[in-house]
Amino acid sequence: KQEVTQIPAALSVPEGENLVLNCSFTDSAIYNLQWFRQDPGKGLTSLLLIQSSQREQTSGRLNASLDKSSGRSTLYIAASQPGDSATYLCAVTGGGNKLTFGTGTQLKVEL
Amino acid sequence: AAGVIQSPRHLIKEKRETATLKCYPIPRHDTVYWYQQGPGQDPQFLISFYEKMQSDKGSIPDRFSAQQFSDYHSELNMSSLELGDSALYFCASTRGAGGGDEQYFGPGTRLTVT
Repeated sequence: KQEVTQIPAALSVPEGENLVLNCSFTDSAIYNLQWFRQDPGKGLTSLLLIQSSQREQTSGRLNASLDKSSGRSTLYIAASQPGDSATYLCAVTGGGNKLTFGTGTQLKVEL
Repeated sequence: AAGVIQSPRHLIKEKRETATLKCYPIPRHDTVYWYQQGPGQDPQFLISFYEKMQSDKGSIPDRFSAQQFSDYHSELNMSSLELGDSALYFCASTRGAGGGDEQYFGPGTRLTVT
């Protein structure tokens, strides 16, 4: 059974800092990995999708990498802003195309 | 661009009542997935449909049933509601059921059981 873990569970940083969120998964037989953002009580906003054949994807200040063989992904956020405060979830797509989500990292960017 | 539509957005029910959640996928998407996110939890896969047939099943209670209709919209029926069913229910859609298709999520339905 696929298990997805995210470290750290919570993170508080000052504005402007670069930061890295970590995601690990136990079964490397995945189709892709997605990073989502979720504001409190709100829906899921897809940030980046990395196919299993890719090593990284970039969108603006966000960069996600994937090392499928070691079961790891990182989400790099450059020059963090208070508006980046949210919970970040990674999810992997396995058999049946269903997503298995990680436990999330709650990020707070302070002024 | 059209997105996934879920209705209602909020629903309040009492214990032992029944609830029906609806999901309208993106046009030309034929696959629908349902996820449940309890308070403080990560989303958990419930069930999926491809071309109106159930394609996969996760941790969905026997009290819940779902189906996909000819226009590809899907409904999640929940009976004998319990307090623990209070959660955010997401629907996602893809075009095709091939591995690796990106899932597009709806805004969710917040169900509160009192």
